[in-house]
Amino acid sequence: TQLLEQSPQFLSIQEGENLTVYCNSSSVFSSLQWYRQEPGEGPVLLVTVVTGGEVKKLKRLTFQFGDARKDSSLHITAAQPGDTGLYLCAERNTDKLIFGTGTRLQVFP
Amino acid sequence: DSGVTQTPKHLITATGQRVTLRCSPRSGDLSVYWYQQSLDQGLQFLIQYYNGEERAKGNILERFSAQQFPDLHSELNLSSLELGDSALYFCASSGGNRGRGTGELFFGEGSRLTVL
Repeated sequence: TQLLEQSPQFLSIQEGENLTVYCNSSSVFSSLQWYRQEPGEGPVLLVTVVTGGEVKKLKRLTFQFGDARKDSSLHITAAQPGDTGLYLCAERNTDKLIFGTGTRLQVFP
Repeated sequence: DSGVTQTPKHLITATGQRVTLRCSPRSGDLSVYWYQQSLDQGLQFLIQYYNGEERAKGNILERFSAQQFPDLHSELNLSSLELGDSALYFCASSGGNRGRGTGELFFGEGSRLTVL
């Protein structure tokens, strides 16, 4: 069974700081998705990475897929209070999408 | 707005009772997924349907059941409720190649169940 571990579990930072969260697997990902869930809402897709070593940027967010496709990272530059939420990585396992344990980010003004 | 509608948004009930959660997927999406989110266990996959047929099962309890109807809406039935069933229940939908591939899931806003 694919296990997706995310770290850190919790992160509280001040506005303007940079941060990185990680997603690691016990086996190779076929592809990986990152979602953000804001309080009171369902998760929303941020990005999908497919190729080992792939880097994708979404404004201040940079997503990296490990060369061996067993890990991924999300780096946020100059965090803002609007970045507050639960960040989830997810991997498709046949017909189901399995989510990681999540990183809960709080950005204070 | 994801286009996925879940009802009810909030539900409070007692142990031993039975509830039904309803989900209408995005227009045109054939796949429906159900997830349970509790504070200490993250987002747990329960079950997936594609065009009315069960496609994948996760750690869904025998007390829980689901179905997808011909109009593609889905219901999740939770019976003999226990305190530990209190959680957010999310429905998500996706379209695409028989529910496979790297497609995006679109989530509803969830149904918050409280069992007292």
